[in-house]
Amino acid sequence: GAGVSQSPRYKVAKRGQDVALRCDPISGHVSLFWYQQALGQGPEFLTYFQNEAQLDKSGLPSDRFFAERPEGSVSTLKIQRTQQEDSAVYLCASSLLAGAYNEQFFGPGTRLTVL
Amino acid sequence: GQQLNQSPQSMFIQEGEDVSMNCTSSSIFNTWLWYKQDPGEGPVLLIALYKAGELTSNGRLTAQFGITRKDSFLNISASIPSDVGIYFCAGRKSNTGKLIFGQGTTLQVKP
Repeated sequence: GAGVSQSPRYKVAKRGQDVALRCDPISGHVSLFWYQQALGQGPEFLTYFQNEAQLDKSGLPSDRFFAERPEGSVSTLKIQRTQQEDSAVYLCASSLLAGAYNEQFFGPGTRLTVL
Repeated sequence: GQQLNQSPQSMFIQEGEDVSMNCTSSSIFNTWLWYKQDPGEGPVLLIALYKAGELTSNGRLTAQFGITRKDSFLNISASIPSDVGIYFCAGRKSNTGKLIFGQGTTLQVKP
């Protein structure tokens, strides 16, 4: 496809359930990022991959959050034992490389609601 | 988490008016970016700035990278209804690509 795609677009989970959010980056993009966007706020960095290597996971809020990109393309963000404060839009972005002049293209996001 | 200080928080203007918004930080950034986000969509890049003092235009949009590397502004001239949306500034400190965003400026344009 032409852009970054994410699925599902909407997810409702009961507190305590595990969820998995998928990101398909632009073909050939080496770098992949996950961000969390709370209602009325700007996106906040969660984690960064270069190919299959997770180089920065400093933004993951707890050990319930786990991300992987095993073959260096599709990525999955998993949240275990979801809590109400996990409710947010989860954005995925990809770039050809990392750093200056390699800007990130964002997907439409997955809106997660935890009841 | 760390976020940039973006102002104003919201603006309600008449079509045809010019708009200005800015972003400040207590620390230095190597890159400043401006994004627009429509409801239900991800942010879309409008302008990227890579050098202190740089002034860049994209159609009716003009943005500047502050000399101190701690601030940036975005101007929109002759606003039109499709300019409605949320505008975010974002900064990047290193070559890893991680972005730090402002809280957003919500722009509404009255025809």
